[in-house]
Amino acid sequence: QSVLTQPPSVSAAPGQKVTINCSGSSSNIGDNHVSWYQQLPGTAPKLLIYGNNKRPSGIPDRFSGSKSGTSATLGITGLQTGDEADYYCGTWDNSLSALFGGGTKLTVL
Amino acid sequence: QVHLQESGPGLVRPSETLSLTCTDSGDSISGYYWSWIRQPPGKGLEWIGYIYYSGTTNYNPSLKSRVTISVDTSKNQFSLRLTSVTAADTAVYYCARASGWSFDSWGQGTLVTVSS
Repeated sequence: QSVLTQPPSVSAAPGQKVTINCSGSSSNIGDNHVSWYQQLPGTAPKLLIYGNNKRPSGIPDRFSGSKSGTSATLGITGLQTGDEADYYCGTWDNSLSALFGGGTKLTVL
Repeated sequence: QVHLQESGPGLVRPSETLSLTCTDSGDSISGYYWSWIRQPPGKGLEWIGYIYYSGTTNYNPSLKSRVTISVDTSKNQFSLRLTSVTAADTAVYYCARASGWSFDSWGQGTLVTVSS
């Protein structure tokens, strides 16, 4: 059971928008930055969003992040079949332990 | 450019010690935090711990009694030791660099199976 709660799955049609929520508490998300990771099938996770809403070089602006209080949200617009993957939120707690959400499987119908 | 590669045995017997090494062949290990993260088959990510290049460590409380992470800056490597393994420790083990409170570079991962 992960400390950060994500929906197990989300789905949407190509070209549409989807959001994935990540819920935590005041001792983790509430006090620390949130990151998001994309894990394509059979590959290592890849950093998508850091610092709540910043994109690393090379990540398209179709991906966005936000944080409010003890929750964070990943948004993906203009869905493509290549976006089908597992998405994980991550943060730290106040004892400097890293935490991950349980992961959300995105299906592009 | 960071390029991380995990190495170590793919099979470990129950009650024995799992040992893995991560080598950065692309950049210096100095100045960063380095982590081990694992993923049991079909499950989510679990952070194991981190080490700063100077040697400071922090471990997941649920694994702390069995984990040691060490660093060798002369070889640009850091290592994981996990003692008294059981089948529950079967997972893909990733090494990763922590930068700005996120994991910005990951190794490809190595599957370690605990079985007799």
